[in-house]
Amino acid sequence: DAGVIQSPRHEVTEMGQEVTLRCKPISGHDYLFWYRQTMMRGLELLIYFNNNVPIDDSGMPEDRFSAKMPNASFSTLKIQPSEPRDSAVYFCASSPRDSSYNEQFFGPGTRLTVL
Amino acid sequence: SQQGEEDPQALSIQEGENATMNCSYKTSINNLQWYRQNSGRGLVHLILIRSNEREKHSGRLRVTLDTSKKSSSLLITASRAADTASYFCATFRGGGGNKLTFGTGTQLKVEL
Repeated sequence: DAGVIQSPRHEVTEMGQEVTLRCKPISGHDYLFWYRQTMMRGLELLIYFNNNVPIDDSGMPEDRFSAKMPNASFSTLKIQPSEPRDSAVYFCASSPRDSSYNEQFFGPGTRLTVL
Repeated sequence: SQQGEEDPQALSIQEGENATMNCSYKTSINNLQWYRQNSGRGLVHLILIRSNEREKHSGRLRVTLDTSKKSSSLLITASRAADTASYFCATFRGGGGNKLTFGTGTQLKVEL
């Protein structure tokens, strides 16, 4: 298996532009997570899905952020409009099941820079 | 402090020495996990310990859990330069959902 795939790996954009980050989870995994990592705030959970349905979006910073999972093999995180404070590394992770063994598998991340 | 706070924030040791990192958390948990993150990469799962377990081993890794103190420790024995990374603990509370809460991490540097 190729693991969790994220694209792009790096994104540089200007303030006010729309940014779309993409994620392909590991096949067969029921859960998909979006995280943001910064030096100041560490690793923050933004939202997670179970079987393509958003379960907890309490970590989404504000209405400028939205996430979708149209099918089991694809998810997007969109920021519109982007701001410099959104600069961070965004990780997607997937997990096979909800049980006492719920290891998460992380993608390589997308490094976003908003100028 | 945050749920899942590691101590120390940074640790520098010589190759061959043991490295110990600690994690404290606030609420009751179902399990606690440790992850490693190499510079510029995603997190990689290392080991999971359930709330009814006190100690677990995996290769050079040893994890302990003290639920009465709400703390865990990760010991890496005979460290190698390749162990240089950030290490995070993550807690799972259970009770529905599948959400992990990650700590602030310990940066480990193993020098030759």
